[in-house]
Amino acid sequence: GAVVSQHPSRVICKSGTSVKIECRSLDFQATTMFWYRQFPKQSLMLMATSNEGSKATYEQGVEKDKFLINHASLTLSTLTVTSAHPEDSSFYICSARSNYNEQFFGPGTRLTVL
Amino acid sequence: SQKIEQNSEALNIQEGKTATLTCNYTNYSPAYLQWYRQDPGRGPVFLLLIRENEKEKRKERLKVTFDTTLKQSLFHITASQPADSATYLCALEAAGNKLTFGGGTRVLVKP
Repeated sequence: GAVVSQHPSRVICKSGTSVKIECRSLDFQATTMFWYRQFPKQSLMLMATSNEGSKATYEQGVEKDKFLINHASLTLSTLTVTSAHPEDSSFYICSARSNYNEQFFGPGTRLTVL
Repeated sequence: SQKIEQNSEALNIQEGKTATLTCNYTNYSPAYLQWYRQDPGRGPVFLLLIRENEKEKRKERLKVTFDTTLKQSLFHITASQPADSATYLCALEAAGNKLTFGGGTRVLVKP
């Protein structure tokens, strides 16, 4: 299957700082990428849909000013958690959608806010 | 409201047997349904996609069925191996090409 990478895989930061997570589709171009959050023992919850060259579409209850998404190219989307707080600690996963409607997921980024 | 339900209880199965997982949904009319595998601390791995006009799909030891009348998909792992132990997620695509996931079913294959 297609390969999607995320960087970093783990990040620990102090409360109030901002953290940027990169998501890259390595072997195909993705006009649409998605960002999910997963809390322990729960399923993935969609945060936003990232479309190349346009503004992201956020799910209800997700603050767009807190979770900044940029989809600058067909292979790269970034999620910036601004002014992170301990309640933002979670597992963040991106996915890229292929032309055949399959979604390929990155390995995830574990964010811990102290 | 829309719901996707998977058995939240872990499925313990003996190596070599067939594991069968269920995904039921309500208030969806999906064009297709997807199954993923997720290991602890890792992102989901795509396994199979089945379209609404397909009854069954196979990939190696995996088989998926899709019954749009019953609003149900079954996922089978035949000749199960300990390496198949993981959480398996079903997902439906809603409007706007967004995937919605079920809660997942954990499978434990014992040698």
